[in-house]
Amino acid sequence: GAGVSQSPSNKVTEKGKDVELRCDPISGHTALYWYRQSLGQGLEFLIYFQGNSAPDKSGLPSDRFSAERTGGSVSTLTIQRTQQEDSAVYLCASSLVQGFGQPQHFGDGTRLSIL
Amino acid sequence: QQQVKQSPQSLIVQKGGIPIINCAYENTAFDYFPWYQQFPGKGPALLIAIRPDVSEKKEGRFTISFNKSAKQFSLHIMDSQPGDSATYFCAAAWAQKLVFGQGTRLTINP
Repeated sequence: GAGVSQSPSNKVTEKGKDVELRCDPISGHTALYWYRQSLGQGLEFLIYFQGNSAPDKSGLPSDRFSAERTGGSVSTLTIQRTQQEDSAVYLCASSLVQGFGQPQHFGDGTRLSIL
Repeated sequence: QQQVKQSPQSLIVQKGGIPIINCAYENTAFDYFPWYQQFPGKGPALLIAIRPDVSEKKEGRFTISFNKSAKQFSLHIMDSQPGDSATYFCAAAWAQKLVFGQGTRLTINP
């Protein structure tokens, strides 16, 4: 079946511009996560959604970052007034339900480059 | 408290050897410990995972050893192959969030 789909796969933009990154989770998965992976680094948790509950935004690095999930499916991560330090791969993951041991399935990410 | 420390950063092993990657944590609230494999340009893929009440888990050529008292866990790859060359991440789960180690770039030479 289809995995987690992210678009665009690559995005190059100028400093100060806003960007939107999209994630289509696996159908039926109620939990959705966003991570950031800087060059040669591990994955940094940003935000997660579970069903209709309020999202856990504890990992968002600044108020320039926001995310929403419409209809319990597609999610969009928005970065306003981008800075060069925002350059990274942004990864989305989904899992069947929130809970112990539920594996997270990752998309291939959006590689964001800020000039 | 929320960190997971992973070592080594990079590792080169000959085909057939047994690479070992180690991770350590501080937070005893972590309750699930997965390992992910990532190839260039791809997202991480779950390889194997363990709960803290188990000391060892094997799936094919991959084995996790878990030492709860030392708060350490490790990944062993038996009969390693060039196709195993990838970056490996350990992680620990707490409050439904994963905290990742910094990754180990593994190269298996033919």
